[in-house]
Formats: sequence, C-alpha cells, structure tokens
Amino acid sequence: AQKVTQAQTEISVVEKEDVTLDCVYETRDTTYYLFWYKQPPSGELVFLIRRNSFDEQNEISGRYSWNFQKSTSSFNFTITASQVVDSAVYFCALSEAGPGTYKYIFGTGTRLKVLA
Amino acid sequence: DVKVTQSSRYLVKRTGEKVFLECVQDMDHENMFWYRQDPGLGLRLIYFSYDVKMKEKGDIPEGYSVSREKKERFSLILESASTNQTSMYLCASSLIAGGPRETQYFGPGTRLLVL
Repeated sequence: AQKVTQAQTEISVVEKEDVTLDCVYETRDTTYYLFWYKQPPSGELVFLIRRNSFDEQNEISGRYSWNFQKSTSSFNFTITASQVVDSAVYFCALSEAGPGTYKYIFGTGTRLKVLA
Repeated sequence: DVKVTQSSRYLVKRTGEKVFLECVQDMDHENMFWYRQDPGLGLRLIYFSYDVKMKEKGDIPEGYSVSREKKERFSLILESASTNQTSMYLCASSLIAGGPRETQYFGPGTRLLVL
C-alpha cells in the first residue's frame, strides 16, 4: 500500500544552519509523483516542488534543494542557510497513476523552527 | 495565480449543529478536495469531486457530506457536528488533465471548534 513517512516530527535549528527534512515513501507503482508543500503559520499550504518517478535529477531553487533517490525511496528536502521565515510545517506527498489518480497521500509533516 | 478561498478562517459551533464549509476556486479546475488536518496525522482526504454533482469518498467520509452544484464551488457539510470534528479543514483544487501529476492548490483553511 502507498505510504509517506516523515519521521521527524519537529526540528529546531539556529538561523543560518542547514537543515534536511526527510521523506520516505512506499508505492508499488512505477509511475508516481512526489510533492513538497510548506504550511506557514497562516495555514495555507504552499506548493514547493513536484518530481516524477522517472526524473532522479536533484533540483536546486535558491536556498532550497531536493534529493530524490529511488533506490532508497526517499525525497529529502534541504534548506541551506535557514532563515526565521522558513519556520513552518513541511509536508511531503505522493500521487500515483491508477484508480483514484487525483489523490495525494500526505506524510504527517515536519515542523521546522528556525531560531534567531 | 490560482486562488482558492474558504468562507471562514475560524468557526465555533455547538454539538449537533449543522455546519457548512464553503470553498471557491477561480481557475476553472475540475477537481476539488476537502481534507482535515490533525496534529500527528497529517492531511486526510474526506471527499473529492471531479465534476459538478460528482463526488467520491476519501479516506474518512464518515460524518460528512459534500455538495458541488457549480464547478467553482465545493461545500463540506457536517450534518450534526460532534466534538471529534474539531479540526483544521483545508480545501484544494487541481486540473484533471494531467491526472496524478497535477498540482493541488490549497485554500487558507478553516479552523473549526465544536463545543
């Protein structure tokens, strides 16, 4: 069955530290999509990135980078030189091809606290 | 930019009341979703709809119903609110065309407290 695990419930770092948020997924499909969302204190989930199962290239966007490794079923998210504005809950999600293709499976989220 | 709005940011209701949560999207998306978010449980899908008047149960539909009379609007109904329905409710929408690769866009959420 499909599943997304974010084992880190809460992480606290000091500003300017690098931090990695882990995401491990389970799926039997060969075609699937992985997403990361940020939920700031305001509550709205903000889309950060989508990655398909056929593209294992890592991606960098400013201070954000993502490491996708099919061999370990992981899609980890790193924030470099963290800032207080990065404080939020981050969710990883999985979407599979097949019946009910519109459904996401979300992880339980990781709360990141960046301290000044 | 996709905009998904929800009728209330905060709601306080009494046990047994009928509660309506409204969601509107302005990007002509076919799919709309209702999730609830609880600490330690992440987001769980209550219902989704892929077309007007069409609905599908998600993972936790018990105690909820939905209505989609217009493409842009998706309502979540708590027929008789109970304290265990105190939660954060999030609405989302997406296009249908790309299937599973389509990004879901979320509203700001409604924090519901049932007393």
